[in-house]
Amino acid sequence: NAGVTQTPKFRILKIGQSMTLQCTQDMNHNYMYWYRQDPGMGLKLIYYSVGAGITDKGEVPNGYNVSRSTTEDFPLRLELAAPSQTSVYFCASSSRQGSPTNTGELFFGEGSRLTVL
Amino acid sequence: AQKVTQAQTEISVVEKEDVTLDCVYETRDTTYYLFWYKQPPSGELVFLIRRNSFDEQNEISGRYSWNFQKSTSSFNFTITASQVVDSAVYFCALSEARAAGNKLTFGGGTRVLVKP
Repeated sequence: NAGVTQTPKFRILKIGQSMTLQCTQDMNHNYMYWYRQDPGMGLKLIYYSVGAGITDKGEVPNGYNVSRSTTEDFPLRLELAAPSQTSVYFCASSSRQGSPTNTGELFFGEGSRLTVL
Repeated sequence: AQKVTQAQTEISVVEKEDVTLDCVYETRDTTYYLFWYKQPPSGELVFLIRRNSFDEQNEISGRYSWNFQKSTSSFNFTITASQVVDSAVYFCALSEARAAGNKLTFGGGTRVLVKP
């Protein structure tokens, strides 16, 4: 199993450009997340989803959008890139609370390093 | 709202020394889960342990051990006989049972540097 796959791994954007970070998981997890990690800092939750068609804001949602049309995919959209969005972005997934396989553990992708100049 | 504090931003030790990482949390939920993740220099996040709020037993896994104390809202992590490969950033995290979606709130991380 591939687990959680993020693309691209690296990207440089100019101010005002837009882009989509792709995330897909093959573990049939209901829950998916996007976190950002600024240099020397912890992870902050941007958006999360508890199932296809259901998304909700996390701690730092401004400047981002998400969609969840399938269980597997959870893309993150940056509409007007700003230097403050320079960060490493992590996608993660976990199984549903109450499911036999739920350990509460989040499985993370390898991260996408985004630089906005 | 929940909060996780890792007061130590960086710890430097010499190989074979023990190192303890502090984690203090805040939550209003009576059922919650605490985690430790490791982020080596390569950048990925590696799950180390999950602890339920109703299980205060300490845990040992090889050179790693965890001390969970509800009375002080702490979940500290000790690496015994540290090795160079332990050099990484370690994150403590909290998930509240009644919050939707297993969301984790992370502390700011503690960077551990183990010198040979």
